[in-house]
Amino acid sequence: GESVGLHLPTLSVQEGDNSIINCAYSNSASDYFIWYKQESGKGPQFIIDIRSNMDKRQGQRVTVLLNKTVKHLSLQIAATQPGDSAVYFCAETGGATNKLIFGTGTLLAVQP
Amino acid sequence: DTAVSQTPKYLVTQMGNDKSIKCEQNLGHDTMYWYKQDSKKFLKIMFSYNNKELIINETVPNRFSPKSPDKAHLNLHINSLELGDSAVYFCASSQDHLGQLGGYTFGSGTRLTVV
Repeated sequence: GESVGLHLPTLSVQEGDNSIINCAYSNSASDYFIWYKQESGKGPQFIIDIRSNMDKRQGQRVTVLLNKTVKHLSLQIAATQPGDSAVYFCAETGGATNKLIFGTGTLLAVQP
Repeated sequence: DTAVSQTPKYLVTQMGNDKSIKCEQNLGHDTMYWYKQDSKKFLKIMFSYNNKELIINETVPNRFSPKSPDKAHLNLHINSLELGDSAVYFCASSQDHLGQLGGYTFGSGTRLTVV
């Protein structure tokens, strides 16, 4: 994910709605992907991961979808709550690299 | 118990000073990392150590020197601090050097402000 200008992309949703956060990853050789949540003043926190041999994985209230054809990853959050407000990052690793590369974050703002 | 702990949480210092940030993990992980997060929230890897051995060294000024006395500790020393070093620095660890066994566990960050 390339940076999209000076401001962090923002998704504003109403409490109770579903949220979809998108990410375009950069390396076609990446084979492991993770979504992280970063709350204000804290470090990134693991939410869910997916390997390249899968196209969907579900967790508690979260689903990650992977489309390798277009190098796209999405995070779906069901019944979004105020506590979900945070910056969300996708991250990729694999191929010739052994480091986790982060995309540009998306700020999720949940309106009560 | 905090899994990855780093100190200090805040660090304000003058240009030209030398400072250190410490990191410890109690997860039994083999690999530790330092990331820098800029004002736009972009996270970039700086260094990685696997069992005390340096395995990743990104294009970072040589004023930054990591030190790993054992696999549970990875400290970051910064010489001759510059205004552009102001950022939040995150320590992280992973079970193995590929980070594909549950990703990385991050500390809560050290906010460095150089004045």
